[in-house]
Amino acid sequence: DGGITQSPKYLFRKEGQNVTLSCEQNLNHDAMYWYRQDPGQGLRLIYYSQIVNDFQKGDIAEGYSVSREKKESFPLTVTSAQKNPTAFYLCASSWLAVYGYTFGSGTRLTVV
Amino acid sequence: DQQVKQNSPSLSVQEGRISILNCDYTNSMFDYFLWYKKYPAEGPTFLISISSIKDKNEDGRFTVFLNKSAKHLSLHIVPSQPGDSAVYFCAASALSGGGADGLTFGKGTHLIIQP
Repeated sequence: DGGITQSPKYLFRKEGQNVTLSCEQNLNHDAMYWYRQDPGQGLRLIYYSQIVNDFQKGDIAEGYSVSREKKESFPLTVTSAQKNPTAFYLCASSWLAVYGYTFGSGTRLTVV
Repeated sequence: DQQVKQNSPSLSVQEGRISILNCDYTNSMFDYFLWYKKYPAEGPTFLISISSIKDKNEDGRFTVFLNKSAKHLSLHIVPSQPGDSAVYFCAASALSGGGADGLTFGKGTHLIIQP
């Protein structure tokens, strides 16, 4: 079954630590995206990648980093520089972005 | 500046009645529009889309209407069912511009279906 997988579902991090969220897709999509959802804020774009070994900052990239070494994988690292990291993180992929995305099921990150 | 606006953060509708969710956009380059549905702690799922060459698209209980001159679209759900309770996101893209920027999302409307 083709799809996009995010892991883990829930993640707890101590303040000051970096943490990496996983996103894997087997849909053969070229483009991948990371969004953050906060109550009342909708979906805000963190980073996106349209091709392997290339990625672009979104609207709220500060405190985050990504890599795209393989077409199937687009991990997101939440660094200690991110001031308010507690949120629900969504990964998405698309073949042709304008026609819509396929989303993963999300990772809830809580900083304790 | 928000290019896609959903001005109603929440909407409460009685079961069996019609739900109407609204979305406005400001970028005249947008020519393809989508609606996504999202349950808590899950990723959004695609619901229905419409191209700017049409003014209506229907899929079962869901109909999307597009008014290009007003830069307004709406999603109608009839009849509304308890499982429709979710957050609905409106999204837009510019097909004619190549779509390099992907989708632009609104902030969402939380639809609550009352029994």
